[in-house]
Amino acid sequence: DAMVIQNPRYQVTQFGKPVTLSCSQTLNHNVMYWYQQKSSQAPKLLFHYYDKDFNNEADTPDNFQSRRPNTSFCFLDIRSPGLGDAAMYLCATSIAGGRSQYFGPGTRLLVL
Amino acid sequence: DQQVKQNSPSLSVQEGRISILNCDYTNSMFDYFLWYKKYPAEGPTFLISISSIKDKNEDGRFTVFLNKSAKHLSLHIVPSQPGDSAVYFCAASARGYGGATNKLIFGTGTLLAVQP
Repeated sequence: DAMVIQNPRYQVTQFGKPVTLSCSQTLNHNVMYWYQQKSSQAPKLLFHYYDKDFNNEADTPDNFQSRRPNTSFCFLDIRSPGLGDAAMYLCATSIAGGRSQYFGPGTRLLVL
Repeated sequence: DQQVKQNSPSLSVQEGRISILNCDYTNSMFDYFLWYKKYPAEGPTFLISISSIKDKNEDGRFTVFLNKSAKHLSLHIVPSQPGDSAVYFCAASARGYGGATNKLIFGTGTLLAVQP
């Protein structure tokens, strides 16, 4: 089945210790998104890739970076996690111009 | 500035009854609306959508109604089942908002609990 996969499902890191979350997709979609969702809040778009073109949201902190080495994979790097970065991180994909997005199961990040 | 609002954080209904989840939006440029369902520890899954050229879209037990003049949409689930218990997110997009990628703007979600 075509799908969006996120690893790991749960990640524990220490305050200030860099962490990388990964996302892969078998849908062959050319757009990939990263969202941050905190409890009882709406998913918040951090950035997205349209093919290799990176698009950062204006209010995404510099602490958050992303890499997309190929169509299938996209990574979220948090350079120096703070306690406020503890959240669910969701990866999603879509075709260019598509109106729907397809989500992975998310990675729950805990910062100690 | 919250462009998509779900003012009811939670809703409880009896099995077999109708569940009605509401969503309001402020941006008149939105022309496509989606409902996602999310179970705990899982990502949102697409449920149903509606284009602004329609006022109703139906898929099995799920119907979405759109009232453009009121900038309001609702999701009806009939009959409700215990397996429908989840958080439901409303999302909206405007063609060209975000370039070719049609960014989605999400509401904060409504937790639906269907009691057996």
